Amino acid sequence: AQTVTQSQPEMSVQEAETVTLSCTYDTSESNYYLFWYKQPPSRQMILVIRQEAYKQQNATENRFSVNFQKAAKSFSLKISDSQLGDTAMYFCAFMRQGDNAGNMLTFGGGTRLMVKP
Amino acid sequence: DAGITQSPRHKVTETGTPVTLRCHQTENHRYMYWYRQDPGHGLRLIHYSYGVKDTDKGEVSDGYSVSRSKTEDFLLTLESATSSQTSVYFCAISENRDSNQPQHFGDGTRLSIL
Repeated sequence: AQTVTQSQPEMSVQEAETVTLSCTYDTSESNYYLFWYKQPPSRQMILVIRQEAYKQQNATENRFSVNFQKAAKSFSLKISDSQLGDTAMYFCAFMRQGDNAGNMLTFGGGTRLMVKP
Repeated sequence: DAGITQSPRHKVTETGTPVTLRCHQTENHRYMYWYRQDPGHGLRLIHYSYGVKDTDKGEVSDGYSVSRSKTEDFLLTLESATSSQTSVYFCAISENRDSNQPQHFGDGTRLSIL
């Protein structure tokens, strides 16, 4: 079974600054994907960024980037030029492929990020 | 946005009563999932379905049952609700197991059991 750990329950950052959210995971799988989801107060689950485990290059989506360290089983999210709209709960998630369960997701406990003006 | 509708959006009920939550999708995706979200635990999988009438248990399935009689609908039932089942429930869908696409989520149902 997979486990995903987010060790920072809460974080804050000043607007326009950079913040990094941590995530570690444990798995014996070799083929998997990692995701960061954002959950604003509206409760929607919004996909922020994804990383394929077989790719060495770190994924980037505009102001969001990841630091993927496969050997260390670490997957951190960096938010640059933080904006007030980034205030949300952030979840790290692990997905393995195949079998009857489709694309199973295992989530971390979340990090609540507050961006301060 | 993926066409996923959860109903109801909010519900308050009493301990011991049966509760059914509905997830409806318009994407014709094969896989459907029910999660619960609780503080400090993220989202945890309750049950999932890999086709019509094909379902299986997730991590926290005790006290819950599911049914899927049509591709588009996935029902979650609490036969006799308990206060520990107070939570926010999310439905999710995914296309097929060979896809590298993640799940898409509904907007959640907030369930309070008094």
